[in-house]
Amino acid sequence: RKEVEQDPGPFNVPEGATVAFNCTYSNSASQSFFWYRQDCRKEPKLLMSVYSSGNEDGRFTAQLNRASQYISLLIRDSKLSDSATYLCVVIKAAGNKLTFGGGTRVLVKP
Amino acid sequence: NAGVTQTPKFQVLKTGQSMTLQCAQDMNHNSMYWYRQDPGMGLRLIYYSASEGTTDKGEVPNGYNVSRLNKREFSLRLESAAPSQTSVYFCASNLVAGEVEQFFGPGTRLTVL
Repeated sequence: RKEVEQDPGPFNVPEGATVAFNCTYSNSASQSFFWYRQDCRKEPKLLMSVYSSGNEDGRFTAQLNRASQYISLLIRDSKLSDSATYLCVVIKAAGNKLTFGGGTRVLVKP
Repeated sequence: NAGVTQTPKFQVLKTGQSMTLQCAQDMNHNSMYWYRQDPGMGLRLIYYSASEGTTDKGEVPNGYNVSRLNKREFSLRLESAAPSQTSVYFCASNLVAGEVEQFFGPGTRLTVL
């Protein structure tokens, strides 16, 4: 089993709609969680951290469910520019290396 | 600031050939990383350098060597390329190892025939 797993998609989303997807992690001792965004044929960039209490950044909401060992990302009022691959990232312990999921591809269509 | 730069952007090699991928950052970061990205596999860490003068293996180091030439530069060498090394290679850096945000270069697309 992979340490960090994501549905590869693609999630086809009408413009203006809401889309949500999850990422599961296998190590219950994992401490920190993040979402990166990667545009087609570009480098990954940090999108947002995921806090235990959940957090929002504009139209983006991230949640953590430690009991079921998954994190989620919800995008409201989808824009065409939200089309990208979203990479889940887990850190097992402070100072440790990042572990990336395979990514979830989102396609927002007019 | 150019951020993280990588050369070349594209490369085609024949099996058995060698090459070095170059990476440089101008953000005065201490830590640098080399990843490979294959479809559906996410980014996998090949080698990293927590600080100038140190290098350590990551998840998939076999077939690769690295050199931390100075604080700015971190190169990745393929001594004898194999088709399994066909991938997109990303270099990244951050101020200190363990920080969440890593800054990535634009990638090198390598094909080994």
